[in-house]
Amino acid sequence: GQQVMQIPQYQHVQEGEDFTTYCNSSTTLSNIQWYKQRPGGHPVFLIQLVKSGEVKKQKRLTFQFGEAKKNSSLHITATQTTDVGTYFCAGESYGGSQGNLIFGKGTKLSVKP
Amino acid sequence: KAGVTQTPRYLIKTRGQQVTLSCSPISGHRSVSWYQQTPGQGLQFLFEYFSETQRNKGNFPGRFSGRQFSNSRSEMNVSTLELGDSALYLCASSLVAGGSMTGELFFGEGSRLTVL
Repeated sequence: GQQVMQIPQYQHVQEGEDFTTYCNSSTTLSNIQWYKQRPGGHPVFLIQLVKSGEVKKQKRLTFQFGEAKKNSSLHITATQTTDVGTYFCAGESYGGSQGNLIFGKGTKLSVKP
Repeated sequence: KAGVTQTPRYLIKTRGQQVTLSCSPISGHRSVSWYQQTPGQGLQFLFEYFSETQRNKGNFPGRFSGRQFSNSRSEMNVSTLELGDSALYLCASSLVAGGSMTGELFFGEGSRLTVL
């Protein structure tokens, strides 16, 4: 079945350093979504990428969707303590799998002030 | 606009018992998904309902079941509880995005189940 792998599992950075998490799918995706979960909270939607090679920016966050629509990345520039949390990617395949968003295991980011 | 509401928030059960969790989606959302979250396995997809029909099911045993009512509210049931079922169960509702893709998932706060 469809699998979504996410690396790294953990990332510890000094405040001001950059951070990147990578997501790879075993199948071609119709779209990929990114979520952030703060400690003790629930996942909150960040963005959805649909087009091959798409790049979207939200302030210090840059999201990319690979040309083959099988991988994606999230890059945070100059991390802040408010960026602490676990970042998940979630992929949806083609072919009748609508509603079946498969999540990666997440990258837990800690930021040292 | 009210968010996704899950009840109960916390519950403790013993092995062999069964449990029913409830989820009220955002008004107008017809898709409801359920996920099991554990520290080791992350967010694992249980099933998704749309207009009272189960469209997709994850790789969980038959002890895990669900349903959706005509008002889009959903319930999931776990029978014959095992210790390994201890987890945070998250419900999420969504609209259908363009091209039949799933739109943004709006998660509830979750129901934290402890099985003793």
